[in-house]
Amino acid sequence: EDQVTQSPEALRLQEGESSSLNCSYTVSGLRGLFWYRQDPGKGPEFLFTLYSAGEEKEKERLKATLTKKESFLHITAPKPEDSATYLCAVQAADSWGKLQFGAGTQVVVTP
Amino acid sequence: DADVTQTPRNRITKTGKRIMLECSQTKGHDRMYWYRQDPGLGLRLIYYSFDVKDINKGEISDGYSVSRQAQAKFSLSLESAIPNQTALYFCATSPSRQGSSYEQYFGPGTRLTVT
Repeated sequence: EDQVTQSPEALRLQEGESSSLNCSYTVSGLRGLFWYRQDPGKGPEFLFTLYSAGEEKEKERLKATLTKKESFLHITAPKPEDSATYLCAVQAADSWGKLQFGAGTQVVVTP
Repeated sequence: DADVTQTPRNRITKTGKRIMLECSQTKGHDRMYWYRQDPGLGLRLIYYSFDVKDINKGEISDGYSVSRQAQAKFSLSLESAIPNQTALYFCATSPSRQGSSYEQYFGPGTRLTVT
């Protein structure tokens, strides 16, 4: 069974204090790993897709990396507007497009 | 205008009532999904549809039914609502490109409370 575990559950950062979120996964043949951002009371917003180990993608202060067992979302010099819950999801090669989500990491960035 | 819309955005209903949540999309995607989100449990798949004639159960389909009225419309029904169906419900869509991954795009959600 596909599993996704995110850590930590919550992270409190000072503005400018860089950190990383972890997403560990087990899947029978990875088609893609996805990162989403979710603001309170809103739907998840698509950030990145990673397809193979060694791949990296960046968007503003966010950088996602992928290994064979986990993915990291690095937040560099965060600002208060980066406060959100970050969700990781995996898609197995035989899943017909279905995603298995982790429970998320809630990030709070204080000025 | 939003690409994926959900109605209603908030709903309070009583135990035993039948309710319907609606989802419409203008992204032109073939695939549509319904999820529920509960604190600490993440997003769980209720039903998914690859086209109008192809509907499949997800991991938590008991107590729910769906209807795909058109490519752009996918409705979720609770036949007889119960309090543990209180949750945030999200609709999502994805393209169906052969040989690639299928990133999903989410609507704004419906907050459902069953009393």
